[in-house]
Amino acid sequence: DQQVKQNSPSLSVQEGRISILNCDYTNSMFDYFLWYKKYPAEGPTFLISISSIKDKNEDGRFTVFLNKSAKHLSLHIVPSQPGDSAVYFCAASAGRGSTLGRLYFGRGTQLTVWP
Amino acid sequence: KAGVTQTPRYLIKTRGQQVTLSCSPISGHRSVSWYQQTPGQGLQFLFEYFSETQRNKGNFPGRFSGRQFSNSRSEMNVSTLELGDSALYLCASRQTGGRGYTFGSGTRLTVV
Repeated sequence: DQQVKQNSPSLSVQEGRISILNCDYTNSMFDYFLWYKKYPAEGPTFLISISSIKDKNEDGRFTVFLNKSAKHLSLHIVPSQPGDSAVYFCAASAGRGSTLGRLYFGRGTQLTVWP
Repeated sequence: KAGVTQTPRYLIKTRGQQVTLSCSPISGHRSVSWYQQTPGQGLQFLFEYFSETQRNKGNFPGRFSGRQFSNSRSEMNVSTLELGDSALYLCASRQTGGRGYTFGSGTRLTVV
């Protein structure tokens, strides 16, 4: 039961352009969302997060948008750089209930930024 | 501030053997979680420990177990290894009350 879905396994973007990575979730108990970047054989590196009380959070080139009614979030990277090429994971957690402390991950999107 | 440290980085074991993986969280972090990453299943939650108590467990067989020590360091154990246990095992820690997790570099386990 995949409660967090990233429907695009890959995305290819030219350097300098915007990268938009999408994520959908099904569990309305999720109230905190995170994006991680991952290189092969390494652990995920935290990028940015957003609480369900907000609809946007920005950190430098990275902005996350949350649409609670659609159960959808997106990560925007502007401008994209070749060093951004990696797998990006969307994750969600619930602040209460039996799954407290657990992250639910999407399957990831491989972003390739070409010069 | 040191990050999450996992040892060993790489491990090769034979089917039927058992293995123990170690994780040292960021200093001051009392919550430690374990995840398994495989190409077919993505990142799957194994369990979470807080103050030496298992608070949450994922959908894995009883061959997967873990524990946490009083200094918050954690170990996970897999007994009777199967080929399908080959994966990257990731440990993550977080501050009490925090919502963000910091991951270690993982242990790559290969079962032959």
